[in-house]
Amino acid sequence: EAQVTQNPRYLITVTGKKLTVTCSQNMNHEYMSWYRQDPGLGLRQIYYSMNVEVTDKGDVPEGYKVSRKEKRNFPLILESPSPNQTSLYFCASSLTSGGHEQYFGPGTRLTVT
Amino acid sequence: AQKITQTQPGMFVQEKEAVTLDCTYDTSDPSYGLFWYKQPSSGEMIFLIYQGSYDQQNATEGRYSLNFQKARKSANLVISASQLGDSAMYFCAMREGPRGGATNKLIFGTGTLLAVQP
Repeated sequence: EAQVTQNPRYLITVTGKKLTVTCSQNMNHEYMSWYRQDPGLGLRQIYYSMNVEVTDKGDVPEGYKVSRKEKRNFPLILESPSPNQTSLYFCASSLTSGGHEQYFGPGTRLTVT
Repeated sequence: AQKITQTQPGMFVQEKEAVTLDCTYDTSDPSYGLFWYKQPSSGEMIFLIYQGSYDQQNATEGRYSLNFQKARKSANLVISASQLGDSAMYFCAMREGPRGGATNKLIFGTGTLLAVQP
């Protein structure tokens, strides 16, 4: 089954404790990205990747890192999480950087206390 | 400047009736794409429908249709014959630039929460 998976789905952590949210897709998609969703703000792009070893900042990259060592995986790293990073995070992928449908993962609900 | 505007924070509709969810957009790029996504209470984002800026016909997908009015920069979603399972948050989104362009970033509106009443 074609899908985007994220882990963990739910995470409660404390300020400053490094964490990684994994994202994996099995569709051989080139393009992957991370969004965060906050009430009243919709979804905003954090980082994106056009292909392996090619990443770039989205609209709200501060406090986040990403890597793309393999085509299927695009982890989101929070080196020192803060409470303002409490949010719902989505990973998305599409075949190319212009494919008209993006497939979203199920979301990761992160709470930083 | 907000690029995608959804002015209806919440809406009610009776089961089996049609409902229109409003979306206006702002872009100077002649080539763009418009999307609607559904987000049920379980949280996942479900792609519903897509309209390209050069598409001549309004997009339709089953009970969903997109009322695309380019001059007015609006891309309203019409759901016909509403069902209880349609209760969800609905997001309008835009991708600027042509297919195959440098980025596939989606710009989202703030969403409309639709409640279908029996």
